[in-house]
Amino acid sequence: EAQVTQNPRYLITVTGKKLTVTCSQNMNHEYMSWYRQDPGLGLRQIYYSMNVEVTDKGDVPEGYKVSRKEKRNFPLILESPSPNQTSLYFCASRQRGNTEAFFGQGTRLTVV
Amino acid sequence: EDKVVQSPLSLVVHEGDTVTLNCSYEVTNFRSLLWYKQEKKAPTFLFMLTSSGIEKKSGRLSSILDKKELFSILNITATQTGDSAIYLCAVEARGNNDMRFGAGTRLTVKP
Repeated sequence: EAQVTQNPRYLITVTGKKLTVTCSQNMNHEYMSWYRQDPGLGLRQIYYSMNVEVTDKGDVPEGYKVSRKEKRNFPLILESPSPNQTSLYFCASRQRGNTEAFFGQGTRLTVV
Repeated sequence: EDKVVQSPLSLVVHEGDTVTLNCSYEVTNFRSLLWYKQEKKAPTFLFMLTSSGIEKKSGRLSSILDKKELFSILNITATQTGDSAIYLCAVEARGNNDMRFGAGTRLTVKP
């Protein structure tokens, strides 16, 4: 089954404790992105990647890192999480060209 | 700066009503406009629109794009409680991977 898989689905952590949210897709898509969703603000892009070893900042990259060492994986790293990073996070992937994005199930992160 | 504005932000209707959701945009080098439905968690794809005036239809849902006036509408006829969701509009620009989303319209359909 074609899918985008994020882990974990829920995470509560403390300020400053490094964490990684994994994202994996099995559709051989070139493009992958990370978004955060906050009430009233819709989905805002954090980082995106157009191919292996190619990553670019989105609208809200501060406090986040990503890597794209393999085509299928695009982990999101929070080196020193802060409470303002409490949010719902989505990973998405899509094929090159005019195509729709496929989303993971989301990761609900709470930083206390 | 590129932006996507959806209206209304929330809407409450009763089963059987028809609703129209709006999405206006200002994007450099427009490529396509997409509609997604978000129920519990992950957004799911509804429509992609690239050409003006051509209606896309799927069951009771339909959408159309006006590239001159820079907006799109999503219509839902004979609404059902299962249509309750957040409807997201996103616009894609040529030359990059930036899919910019609006804030969404939260639709609630009451029995």
